[in-house]
Amino acid sequence: DTGVSQNPRHKITKRGQNVTFRCDPISEHNRLYWYRQTLGQGPEFLTYFQNEAQLEKSRLLSDRFSAERPKGSFSTLEIQRTEQGDSAMYLCASSLGIGGRLYEQYFGPGTRLTVT
Amino acid sequence: GQQLNQSPQSMFIQEGEDVSMNCTSSSIFNTWLWYKQDPGEGPVLLIALYKAGELTSNGRLTAQFGITRKDSFLNISASIPSDVGIYFCATDSNYQLIWGAGTKLIIKP
Repeated sequence: DTGVSQNPRHKITKRGQNVTFRCDPISEHNRLYWYRQTLGQGPEFLTYFQNEAQLEKSRLLSDRFSAERPKGSFSTLEIQRTEQGDSAMYLCASSLGIGGRLYEQYFGPGTRLTVT
Repeated sequence: GQQLNQSPQSMFIQEGEDVSMNCTSSSIFNTWLWYKQDPGEGPVLLIALYKAGELTSNGRLTAQFGITRKDSFLNISASIPSDVGIYFCATDSNYQLIWGAGTKLIIKP
């Protein structure tokens, strides 16, 4: 069990550029979640996948945001035409998605995005 | 919307002291989770609780699921410097977790 990994750990971009983040979940986990966290706040839910299906998206996820999990393994989160308000920590988590441990989500180290 | 009220917001303690923090809600939940987050890192799951009244330990940490299913507390015994960080409670709301605002633990030098 190597845990959830995220790349890159840090990203600095200029306003208007596109960025893409990658998440590799724990291998046997079939649920994958994306959250956004700003300083002093708890994580805010963005979207989640059950295997390759994207089952729910938050209203926080504007049209500029898109997430994929093409083969039910790793996932990518893309932000198009970045804005300064997109600056935040983007967290990925995974869970078994079944049974009594349904809600135990394990987080990656996050990608810190700074939009200048 | 659903909210979790976590208190205290921050704590200044001496090394070796015991720490207690709690999380309350006006709604009933089936799960309580406690996470710790260090600066620049993702949250790390400490304890998961699934039954009302359940008391679970993880080393020096002990957490309880309140009988009313509307609250939970976390205790840390004999705090050490590496306990500093932000502790979050979280609970399930269908497909996602909802989170408290966090308790920041600071150890006085």
